[in-house]
Amino acid sequence: DTEVTQTPKHLVMGMTNKKSLKCEQHMGHRAMYWYKQKAKKPPELMFVYSYEKLSINESVPSRFSPECPNSSLLNLHLHALQPEDSALYLCASSQEYGQGNQPQHFGDGTRLSIL
Amino acid sequence: AQKVTQAQTEISVVEKEDVTLDCVYETRDTTYYLFWYKQPPSGELVFLIRRNSFDEQNEISGRYSWNFQKSTSSFNFTITASQVVDSAVYFCALSEEAAKAGGGADGLTFGKGTHLIIQP
Repeated sequence: DTEVTQTPKHLVMGMTNKKSLKCEQHMGHRAMYWYKQKAKKPPELMFVYSYEKLSINESVPSRFSPECPNSSLLNLHLHALQPEDSALYLCASSQEYGQGNQPQHFGDGTRLSIL
Repeated sequence: AQKVTQAQTEISVVEKEDVTLDCVYETRDTTYYLFWYKQPPSGELVFLIRRNSFDEQNEISGRYSWNFQKSTSSFNFTITASQVVDSAVYFCALSEEAAKAGGGADGLTFGKGTHLIIQP
């Protein structure tokens, strides 16, 4: 079982809907990440939070809005998404941000489909 | 800029065969870290191993072994006596020291992945 929990596992939404993806870890990690992964492609980094503050935004459209309520939780709020946003969204965590030697631990992901 | 190349898009072998997944990397940094992740159909990326650039010692863990050669900038992964449960996409990734990293967090750059199919 993964130590990073993501909900929901599957999500189908219309382009006008508002939904949120949730991620939780209890490993005491202080860095949390959102990735987007299209089929047959590697994960692409979207956001990084370090100590609950946004450290990296990889030029992600504003229809994706991240939130880190506390050190264990990471949300991704979705609004007015496009069909091309359909993908697997992965959450990850690591002990600290900014130290290249620390592995990131990933959740199962949320498979998002935009109608 | 750093780059990871996994030239094998897909490999299919019969169960119990040995299989090697290739990974070649490019970096200008002298200190860097290499990773292998496994992604089964369920979607989760499972961390398998990390190797530091200053440690060229090969590693074996059960049926898995890793061959790190700085001279050829390669970090290959071998599965011995493959099993159906090994079927997955395997990603090799490179990370530089954050102070010198560009782009994503921790400079973590993924290869495109190798889809490994183990047939019964």
